[in-house]
Amino acid sequence: QQQVKQSPQSLIVQKGGISIINCAYENTAFDYFPWYQQFPGKGPALLIAIRPDVSEKKEGRFTISFNKSAKQFSLHIMDSQPGDSATYFCAASSSRTGNQFYFGTGTSLTVIP
Amino acid sequence: EPEVTQTPSHQVTQMGQEVILRCVPISNHLYFYWYRQILGQKVEFLVSFYNNEISEKSEIFDDQFSVERPDGSNFTLKIRSTKLEDSAMYFCASSELASLISYNEQFFGPGTRLTVL
Repeated sequence: QQQVKQSPQSLIVQKGGISIINCAYENTAFDYFPWYQQFPGKGPALLIAIRPDVSEKKEGRFTISFNKSAKQFSLHIMDSQPGDSATYFCAASSSRTGNQFYFGTGTSLTVIP
Repeated sequence: EPEVTQTPSHQVTQMGQEVILRCVPISNHLYFYWYRQILGQKVEFLVSFYNNEISEKSEIFDDQFSVERPDGSNFTLKIRSTKLEDSAMYFCASSELASLISYNEQFFGPGTRLTVL
């Protein structure tokens, strides 16, 4: 059972553009939704995270939009830069069931100069 | 800045052999996790560990796998008899708390690439 669905699988954006990655989940017990950034050969690094009691969280150029009723959340990268080129994973976890992360399948982002 | 460390960075083993992957979580963290990532695929949860016992485990974490915190600082994953399909990147992670009050921020190590021949 795929707990978290992520799209698109890959994304190419011009420098300065907006990158948007979407995720959807089924389990209403999820109460923590992080986004992780992974560069080749490295472990995932936390980028930004949100709890379901807010609809949006912004940190610098990165924004999470959260729609609880639709069970969807998305990552927006404003003014995308070549250094943002990486794989992005959304994830979800529930404090009621051990806090393990269920990851999406990942989005490979390429920002071209 | 504190970080999760893992050794070795790359382990090559023959099918059927035992391997032990080692992790040093961040010192004040209480929850520990192992995940794996088969090349090109998503990161998958294996097991979580708290208070010297397994909290949760996935279907992947069968009897061939075990975890241990042998000395208060290291956190190990043992695969008793490796199979070809165990070839993957194994990530250790740790978090300070897991409650409704705090964010469950998990910090990941750089991973150990396991190659089973």
